[in-house]
Amino acid sequence: DTAVSQTPKYLVTQMGNDKSIKCEQNLGHDTMYWYKQDSKKFLKIMFSYNNKELIINETVPNRFSPKSPDKAHLNLHINSLELGDSAVYFCASSQQRGRNQPQHFGDGTRLSIL
Amino acid sequence: AQSVAQPEDQVNVAEGNPLTVKCTYSVSGNPYLFWYVQYPNRGLQFLLKYITGDNLVKGSYGFEAEFNKSQTSFHLKKPSALVSDSALYFCAVSGNNAGNMLTFGGGTRLMVKP
Repeated sequence: DTAVSQTPKYLVTQMGNDKSIKCEQNLGHDTMYWYKQDSKKFLKIMFSYNNKELIINETVPNRFSPKSPDKAHLNLHINSLELGDSAVYFCASSQQRGRNQPQHFGDGTRLSIL
Repeated sequence: AQSVAQPEDQVNVAEGNPLTVKCTYSVSGNPYLFWYVQYPNRGLQFLLKYITGDNLVKGSYGFEAEFNKSQTSFHLKKPSALVSDSALYFCAVSGNNAGNMLTFGGGTRLMVKP
């Protein structure tokens, strides 16, 4: 009965490849997010997605693109992977895109670029 | 732009003693403040939030936080620490940005020793 689930848990790949990370939430939430946590544990928002409205953090390279087939899923596609993309990527969801809504996080996908 | 500062990379406390993890913030308008905890190889878990009202907010696992508007602080506290409280703690603020996205502090590692 995992609330926010991500697959795969670990992803090791070569520089230049294209990869995807899947995220599903069974909480009935309206809003989903992607975060990047670097090696120093610093956490940074990448995207917020609500009812087909995408808000992008301006610092995210356009090699990263979220895709949402339905309200319960928000997948992350990454093209032309670079060494600096190595990090842990977290998916999260909240009931609404409201300032007072706590977010529920998945357990992360650890991406390692060789 | 909104920001969060957690001035201590690590806090060490003996089991049974009170603990405080510090957080200061900067945001335009009224702040919505959150504390999250992260255990190894897991996603963030919501602990508590301040939206409005009483400056002392109670949350999960016996944690509480005190909002101080004049000092722009939101310190996390617990009267009696447990070894199992050892984890990484993140303070976050939601301001009036597009998508109401959260900005996180750099995290504070809490070590509770028996």
